[in-house]
Amino acid sequence: RKEVEQDPGPFNVPEGATVAFNCTYSNSASQSFFWYRQDCRKEPKLLMSVYSSGNEDGRFTAQLNRASQYISLLIRDSKLSDSATYLCVVRFSGGYNKLIFGAGTRLAVHP
Amino acid sequence: EAGVTQFPSHSVIEKGQTVTLRCDPISGHDNLYWYRRVMGKEIKFLLHFVKESKQDESGMPNNRFLAERTGGTYSTLKVQPAELEDSGVYFCASSPLSRVEGTQYFGPGTRLLVL
Repeated sequence: RKEVEQDPGPFNVPEGATVAFNCTYSNSASQSFFWYRQDCRKEPKLLMSVYSSGNEDGRFTAQLNRASQYISLLIRDSKLSDSATYLCVVRFSGGYNKLIFGAGTRLAVHP
Repeated sequence: EAGVTQFPSHSVIEKGQTVTLRCDPISGHDNLYWYRRVMGKEIKFLLHFVKESKQDESGMPNNRFLAERTGGTYSTLKVQPAELEDSGVYFCASSPLSRVEGTQYFGPGTRLLVL
């Protein structure tokens, strides 16, 4: 079983749509959670950290459910520029900083 | 502020040859990481330096891979001899020592193709 699992997509949505990404992780010792965005042939870039209380940044809302080991990302009013691969990323506890990546979910927003 | 830089951007070599990848982290970042994405798979951790010391090298695939960070500044990752399955994109990332929550800044990657 993969340590971080995501729906591979792709998700094809029209501009203005709301789209939700889901992610599950297997290690209950996971400590920190992130959504990264990766454009085609580019490096991953941090989109937002995910906190237990849930957090919002403009059109983006992230939620964490530790009991279910589940993370989500909601994008409202999607724009063409949101087209990218969204990576669910987890960091385990224990003093190490290595990031564990999901395979990513590709999003294509069309006019 | 300059970001993480990597050299070369692309490398095409034949099986059995040696390749050395270089990473220059953001100035002042003591944490330096190497990751790799092979075709169709997720990005995977290779190793982590704190300054010049290897903190965690649990992701290194085998002894054909050698990473160094002399002086605690830039890092090199050497693959010798390269095999076909080493093809992929090698990312370097860095973060400040004080940044414990795990935000890492990635370089543009080196695309390695082993023929």
